[in-house]
Amino acid sequence: KAGVTQTPRYLIKTRGQQVTLSCSPISGHRSVSWYQQTPGQGLQFLFEYFSETQRNKGNFPGRFSGRQFSNSRSEMNVSTLELGDSALYLCASSKTRDPAGLTEAFFGQGTRLTVV
Amino acid sequence: SQQGEEDPQALSIQEGENATMNCSYKTSINNLQWYRQNSGRGLVHLILIRSNEREKHSGRLRVTLDTSKKSSSLLITASRAADTASYFCATDAGWIQGAQKLVFGQGTRLTINP
Repeated sequence: KAGVTQTPRYLIKTRGQQVTLSCSPISGHRSVSWYQQTPGQGLQFLFEYFSETQRNKGNFPGRFSGRQFSNSRSEMNVSTLELGDSALYLCASSKTRDPAGLTEAFFGQGTRLTVV
Repeated sequence: SQQGEEDPQALSIQEGENATMNCSYKTSINNLQWYRQNSGRGLVHLILIRSNEREKHSGRLRVTLDTSKKSSSLLITASRAADTASYFCATDAGWIQGAQKLVFGQGTRLTINP
């Protein structure tokens, strides 16, 4: 069973540009979440999608957006890049939340974004 | 903001010894998950423990959860060099519209010396 696939693995962008990152979840998983990891702030939740709907959003500016397609693949977009957006962006997929609680979230290898 | 704090921030032990990492959190939780991360790569899921469970085992891993103290511990027995990594606990912060949202601690950097 293939894991969570994120593309690209590495990106270098210039301040002011925009970037789109892609995430393909595990087959059968309908929930996709995005996280940003930086040395200073650690792992922070960006947003979560389920059945093409954003169900939850973290405390990030509107420059960060995302979407989910009917096949559960997800993209996140960052516009007007700033130096502080340099980070490892991680995508996680999980099955539908079950009645007993949260299901396991499985992460991809991440996309390392460097803004120069 | 981080939900939890992990202790210690760094741990260095000899191969074969046991490693214990602790995680404390602030609010009520539904579940707690432990992850491993090697050198800035993706997170590997280790174990999930539900709020009504007190202990769980998976191979060389043992996780405990004390909801009255809002704390969890991860024990790795008979450590190996390959266990060298950062370990994170993550809590389910709430049931907002059924959405999944994990809140992570800052992690413990574990080094296993040969």
